[in-house]
Amino acid sequence: DGGITQSPKYLFRKEGQNVTLSCEQNLNHDAMYWYRQDPGQGLRLIYYSQIVNDFQKGDIAEGYSVSREKKESFPLTVTSAQKNPTAFYLCASGLGQYQETQYFGPGTRLLVL
Amino acid sequence: EDQVTQSPEALRLQEGESSSLNCSYTVSGLRGLFWYRQDPGKGPEFLFTLYSAGEEKEKERLKATLTKKESFLHITAPKPEDSATYLCAVQETDSWGKLQFGAGTQVVVTP
Repeated sequence: DGGITQSPKYLFRKEGQNVTLSCEQNLNHDAMYWYRQDPGQGLRLIYYSQIVNDFQKGDIAEGYSVSREKKESFPLTVTSAQKNPTAFYLCASGLGQYQETQYFGPGTRLLVL
Repeated sequence: EDQVTQSPEALRLQEGESSSLNCSYTVSGLRGLFWYRQDPGKGPEFLFTLYSAGEEKEKERLKATLTKKESFLHITAPKPEDSATYLCAVQETDSWGKLQFGAGTQVVVTP
């Protein structure tokens, strides 16, 4: 089955700790995206990558970092600099073309202890 | 300034009671408008993409339409399983891959 997997489903962060969220896709998509979802707000773009070894900041990149060493994988690190990390994090992928559709993973809920 | 506004924020329907959701947008040029369905605690599920004014797409009890300033998602004779949050997103002509999302409309269909 082709799709996008995210792990873990729930993640707890302690004060001052960096945590990494995993995102893997087997759809052979070139582009991958990370969004943050807060109650009552639309999804906001954190980072995106159009191709391996390249990525760009989205609208709310501060306090986050990413890497894209493999086509299938796009991990997101929430650093200690992100002061309000509690949110639902969604990874998406797409063909990387104009007018493309993005397909989403199941999400990771990050909570602060 | 919000580029994508969805209304109403919440909608409660009786089973079989048809209704419409609205997504209004303000962008300089539209490359595409997307509708997603999201169940609680899950990732959004793709429904439709609309590219130009006048375009319509249908899937089961859902029909999406597009004008130059807004899109409607019509739910015909809804069933309880249509209960979800419906998200609208737009892609501008000068923003590769970037989607601007509305806050969503939460739909509850009661038997």
